[in-house]
Amino acid sequence: DQQVKQNSPSLSVQEGRISILNCDYTNSMFDYFLWYKKYPAEGPTFLISISSIKDKNEDGRFTVFLNKSAKHLSLHIVPSQPGDSAVYFCAASSSISSGSARQLTFGSGTQLTVLP
Amino acid sequence: GAGVSQSPSNKVTEKGKDVELRCDPISGHTALYWYRQSLGQGLEFLIYFQGNSAPDKSGLPSDRFSAERTGGSVSTLTIQRTQQEDSAVYLCASSVRLAVEQFFGPGTRLTVL
Repeated sequence: DQQVKQNSPSLSVQEGRISILNCDYTNSMFDYFLWYKKYPAEGPTFLISISSIKDKNEDGRFTVFLNKSAKHLSLHIVPSQPGDSAVYFCAASSSISSGSARQLTFGSGTQLTVLP
Repeated sequence: GAGVSQSPSNKVTEKGKDVELRCDPISGHTALYWYRQSLGQGLEFLIYFQGNSAPDKSGLPSDRFSAERTGGSVSTLTIQRTQQEDSAVYLCASSVRLAVEQFFGPGTRLTVL
């Protein structure tokens, strides 16, 4: 059973417009959420994160929103640029886990394509 | 500074053979993680090392998989008697102790024929 779900495998947006990537989770013990970006043949790179005590975190063109009651988070990119084209993974972590391991549970990713 | 490095970048092997994948974490990072990504899937947690503590092996899919970390730095993931379903990209990540933010290597693409 997937605890972190990204239901849209792909998304295309026009350059300059807003990109909205969505993520849903089922485990109420998750208390920290991250977005990673992945280019082909490279490992994922950290983008932005949010703690469950917040509902919004902003870093330049990237904003993450968290709706705990709906167990939903989203990543907004505005304005979108062609260089943003990549696979975006949502990940979640719980502070309560075996052996204090801060393992991340990942979604299956969304391929974002920003069209020039 | 140097990031996480992994070798080899690509590995093609025959079913039934053993393979070893290597990970060099970022210097000073005491936590090291192995994940794998199968085609069209998200990253699946395999194993975690933190300092000298016993590793968290809860994600290893079978007893054919094992990993070790020597001297608190380099780690090797070993897959014995490989099967075709083991084909995936194997990713290593490291982090400062207990930090959630993990830094990933480029991965090793394993293909089992």
